[in-house]
Amino acid sequence: DAMVIQNPRYQVTQFGKPVTLSCSQTLNHNVMYWYQQKSSQAPKLLFHYYDKDFNNEADTPDNFQSRRPNTSFCFLDIRSPGLGDAAMYLCATSTGGGPAKYFGAGTRLSVL
Amino acid sequence: EDKVVQSPLSLVVHEGDTVTLNCSYEVTNFRSLLWYKQEKKAPTFLFMLTSSGIEKKSGRLSSILDKKELFSILNITATQTGDSAIYLCAVEAADYGGATNKLIFGTGTLLAVQP
Repeated sequence: DAMVIQNPRYQVTQFGKPVTLSCSQTLNHNVMYWYQQKSSQAPKLLFHYYDKDFNNEADTPDNFQSRRPNTSFCFLDIRSPGLGDAAMYLCATSTGGGPAKYFGAGTRLSVL
Repeated sequence: EDKVVQSPLSLVVHEGDTVTLNCSYEVTNFRSLLWYKQEKKAPTFLFMLTSSGIEKKSGRLSSILDKKELFSILNITATQTGDSAIYLCAVEAADYGGATNKLIFGTGTLLAVQP
């Protein structure tokens, strides 16, 4: 059974139209991460939640926001998607301060 | 600046061959090194290495870390077409200013196993 679930698997949006990607986990892990992975590149950390504490990476654009209403769910909001935001978005979890080991299947975002 | 470098960038082998993938790193406050396999979806965790010289093994895959020379290798013996994937190396570094440690990824090695 999938432990980190991302929806949808594929998302198409229009330039400038807000979009929300979702992630849920059944592991009860206290840390949830969002990564952006562009074609032929390594995953890049956008931000993470340690419990309810939000930790933004210094180079994450303001266009990217996140919400974590409870332990199980985390959302990635892209307020005004640009063509350069087309990528695979990966959600991952871990316990304590450990590294992200459990990844969801990802959401591939296309921006038209 | 912290960096993780993988080589080769891509590799084509035939079924039954043995391959060795390399990962070198320059990271402040090293904590662990992780290997992932990524097919057309999210990375799947393979190994986590924290100590030098101790081989981790899972079936045909094995990995070892050298903390003195700052590198790790991932070996795959008797390769199969199902081993075709991108293999990502990532280094966990302590981030004393944050709540969790950082994970720094290499750009991966693309392995293609031909029948």
